[in-house]
Amino acid sequence: GQQLNQSPQSMFIQEGEDVSMNCTSSSIFNTWLWYKQDPGEGPVLLIALYKAGELTSNGRLTAQFGITRKDSFLNISASIPSDVGIYFCAGHPLNRDDKIIFGKGTRLHILP
Amino acid sequence: DVKVTQSSRYLVKRTGEKVFLECVQDMDHENMFWYRQDPGLGLRLIYFSYDVKMKEKGDIPEGYSVSREKKERFSLILESASTNQTSMYLCASRKGDRTDTQYFGPGTRLTVL
Repeated sequence: GQQLNQSPQSMFIQEGEDVSMNCTSSSIFNTWLWYKQDPGEGPVLLIALYKAGELTSNGRLTAQFGITRKDSFLNISASIPSDVGIYFCAGHPLNRDDKIIFGKGTRLHILP
Repeated sequence: DVKVTQSSRYLVKRTGEKVFLECVQDMDHENMFWYRQDPGLGLRLIYFSYDVKMKEKGDIPEGYSVSREKKERFSLILESASTNQTSMYLCASRKGDRTDTQYFGPGTRLTVL
C-alpha cells in the first residue's frame, strides 16, 4: 500500500534549538497533516495543509505542502521542553478522501 | 470541544479470549476509525466506518472485526486474541469531509498474555 517516509526517526536537541522534520511520498497527496502525540495520549492535530505550496504557521510551528504534492515539512522554532513527543505526518492520497496514511513518526527528545 | 473516549486505558487479556474495545464520540461525527500503533511502525488503519452499520477494511483488518450499531459508538472486536495483537489501539472520529479534523481518543494499551 501507499507509504509515507518520515525522517528523521528520532532527534535529540538542546532546548532553544530549531527543529526540522519532513515527509515524502512516492505518490501525490491531496492533504498533508501534522500531528503530535504526547506520552500516554492520542495524537492531536497541529497543522493541516490543503493546497500545493501552502505554508501555514501555528505559533512556533510552520509547515509546508510541497509543490510536487509528494512532500511536506514541519519546522519548530526555539524548542521548549513541552515540545517533547512524537510527531506524525499524515495525508490523504489522491482520490482517497476517506482514509489517512500516517508516517512512522519522529520522536523528539530535548536535552536539558 | 470534541471528545472521543475509549472504554479502557489499559487492558490485559489471555490468548484466545474475545476482546471488545469500545469507542464513543460526542460530536455526531459520521466517520470513525480504529488504528493500532506499534513502535517503529506508526499508526496503521484496521477498520473505518462512514456511517451507522457501514464498515470498510483498512490496511490490517486480519484478526479483527468491528461493529457500528449507533452513530456515536464504534467497537473493535478481537474474536480470539493473540500475542501479536498486543499493541496500543487508537480510535478516531471525523465529521465527514477530508478537510475536517480527525480527533483521536487517548488510546487503549492492550496486552495479550
